Amino acid sequence: AQSVTQLDSQVPVFEEAPVELRCNYSSSVSVYLFWYVQYPNQGLQLLLKYLSGSTLVKGINGFEAEFNKSQTSFHLRKPSVHISDTAEYFCAVNENYGQNFVFGPGTRLSVLP
Amino acid sequence: KAGVTQTPRYLIKTRGQQVTLSCSPISGHRSVSWYQQTPGQGLQFLFEYFSETQRNKGNFPGRFSGRQFSNSRSEMNVSTLELGDSALYLCASSKARGVGHEKLFFGSGTQLSVL
Repeated sequence: AQSVTQLDSQVPVFEEAPVELRCNYSSSVSVYLFWYVQYPNQGLQLLLKYLSGSTLVKGINGFEAEFNKSQTSFHLRKPSVHISDTAEYFCAVNENYGQNFVFGPGTRLSVLP
Repeated sequence: KAGVTQTPRYLIKTRGQQVTLSCSPISGHRSVSWYQQTPGQGLQFLFEYFSETQRNKGNFPGRFSGRQFSNSRSEMNVSTLELGDSALYLCASSKARGVGHEKLFFGSGTQLSVL
């Protein structure tokens, strides 16, 4: 069965500083990997996804993530954050069927002025 | 192009009542999934519908049910509400299913409070 771990429940960071949000997964088969962002009082939006190919994936709003198969990780990074990046970030995996994505518990990113 | 629309935005019910939530997917999207979001459990998959048929179901009791209509609109029903059913219920749509990498488009959710 799939599972997703996001070790950091909250990450405070100052504006213009770099940030890394960690995600580890477990699965017995190959998976597709995703990062979604949820702004206050809104649904989730896709930031980026890894399907195959290059392990470095670039997404919207300057975010990128790197797939590391040996470490079963898919960490999200941004070199310089803005106040507007304050939100909750969810890592998710999906095996090759259906729409039952498995989401991690989320990491609340707070960008401080 | 209109996004995923969920109604109502907020609901307050009492224990033992039942509730129906509605989701209109993006035009042309045939797959609708439902998720329950709570602070303690995070996002948990409820079920997925495609072409009016339930294709996948999460680990929720039978009090949670759903259906999909021919126009792809979906409803979710919770009977005999319990306090623990208080949550944000999110609906997500996508064009197709079965390949695992289809992008999900989420609605803003229905916030259900059970008193």
